[in-house]
Amino acid sequence: GQQVMQIPQYQHVQEGEDFTTYCNSSTTLSNIQWYKQRPGGHPVFLIQLVKSGEVKKQKRLTFQFGEAKKNSSLHITATQTTDVGTYFCAEFYSGGGADGLTFGKGTHLIIQP
Amino acid sequence: DGGITQSPKYLFRKEGQNVTLSCEQNLNHDAMYWYRQDPGQGLRLIYYSQIVNDFQKGDIAEGYSVSREKKESFPLTVTSAQKNPTAFYLCASSTGVSSPLHFGNGTRLTVT
Repeated sequence: GQQVMQIPQYQHVQEGEDFTTYCNSSTTLSNIQWYKQRPGGHPVFLIQLVKSGEVKKQKRLTFQFGEAKKNSSLHITATQTTDVGTYFCAEFYSGGGADGLTFGKGTHLIIQP
Repeated sequence: DGGITQSPKYLFRKEGQNVTLSCEQNLNHDAMYWYRQDPGQGLRLIYYSQIVNDFQKGDIAEGYSVSREKKESFPLTVTSAQKNPTAFYLCASSTGVSSPLHFGNGTRLTVT
């Protein structure tokens, strides 16, 4: 399936610093979803973005969908130890006989107290 | 509580043996999926099913097989043809294609 590129692969921050992960696609996306996976756990759905230029907030998390619907970002303000984990973006891919969500490789957030 | 149950949590097998991973959901979701997760590779789609008695190959279906005889169940068989079966396997369901996924806790398969 089509691949979304996600950067950075790893991000080390001090507790209290901000964090941003980016997701980029070479084609226009119908929607994009974000998931969080805690160490040893399973991915948990955070949010879905559908509209061009859309911005959604969940407490300290801000999600953006680019105007051209080819990129998205997740920003965490003032990180806490509970934010540790891997953040994945995922796009719905249809074509070539395979439909389904295609995940980026994720950004591992490591927080130093 | 509604959810997805995968069993077992850990599974060990000898090379050359087939093994079946269980996935059951009581969310009344039509669509079910199997993903494989390897370190640094993210999640890769193995098989998906949008409706009972129908399923489609994902990106890495070779060496795997599935069935969807009931809406609630979507077992995955890892056959001896799968060259690198050791991985973390995640089952998921959704109300429909492109809808948010609900994941099970996963099964860690180790083949030696």
